[in-house]
Amino acid sequence: AQTVTQSQPEMSVQEAETVTLSCTYDTSESDYYLFWYKQPPSRQMILVIRQEAYKQQNATENRFSVNFQKAAKSFSLKISDSQLGDAAMYFCAYGTQGGSEKLVFGKGTKLTVNP
Amino acid sequence: KAGVTQTPRYLIKTRGQQVTLSCSPISGHRSVSWYQQTPGQGLQFLFEYFSETQRNKGNFPGRFSGRQFSNSRSEMNVSTLELGDSALYLCASSLGGFGPQETQYFGPGTRLLVL
Repeated sequence: AQTVTQSQPEMSVQEAETVTLSCTYDTSESDYYLFWYKQPPSRQMILVIRQEAYKQQNATENRFSVNFQKAAKSFSLKISDSQLGDAAMYFCAYGTQGGSEKLVFGKGTKLTVNP
Repeated sequence: KAGVTQTPRYLIKTRGQQVTLSCSPISGHRSVSWYQQTPGQGLQFLFEYFSETQRNKGNFPGRFSGRQFSNSRSEMNVSTLELGDSALYLCASSLGGFGPQETQYFGPGTRLLVL
């Protein structure tokens, strides 16, 4: 069974600074998908970024980028130029290939952005 | 396009009762997944429906059930409620299919409190 581990329950960053959230996963599959979701206090889960395992290039979405290390089974999220609105719970999630939309989530990292 | 909607948003029930939660996916999405979120267990996959068929199921007792209608709307039912069923229930929709995993879009959730 796949597992996702987020080793940092809480992180804080100063506004305009950069922060990196860690995620490791365990799987025996070769094709899979990785996601970072953000859950602000409103509890609405919002997709931040998506990475296909077969792609060597790291995904980027504006201020958000990932460092995907397939051999190490590591998938970290870097937030540049942090903004107050980035404060939220961040969840790393694993999705399998082919005919299933099931996601396996990590426990989450609570990010605080200090002004 | 309208997002994923869930009704009701809040619910209070007593032990032993049953409850039905509803989820309307994004127009055109055929897959609906349900997740339970609790402080202790985090986000756990309940089940996924695609084209009115349950395609995947998590490790939950038979008291948790669901169904999907021809318009892709989905309901989940919990019978004989227990205190431990108190949680945020999240619904997510995606295009579905049998190829690469599609990105899931989440609804705002239904917060269930069992007294």
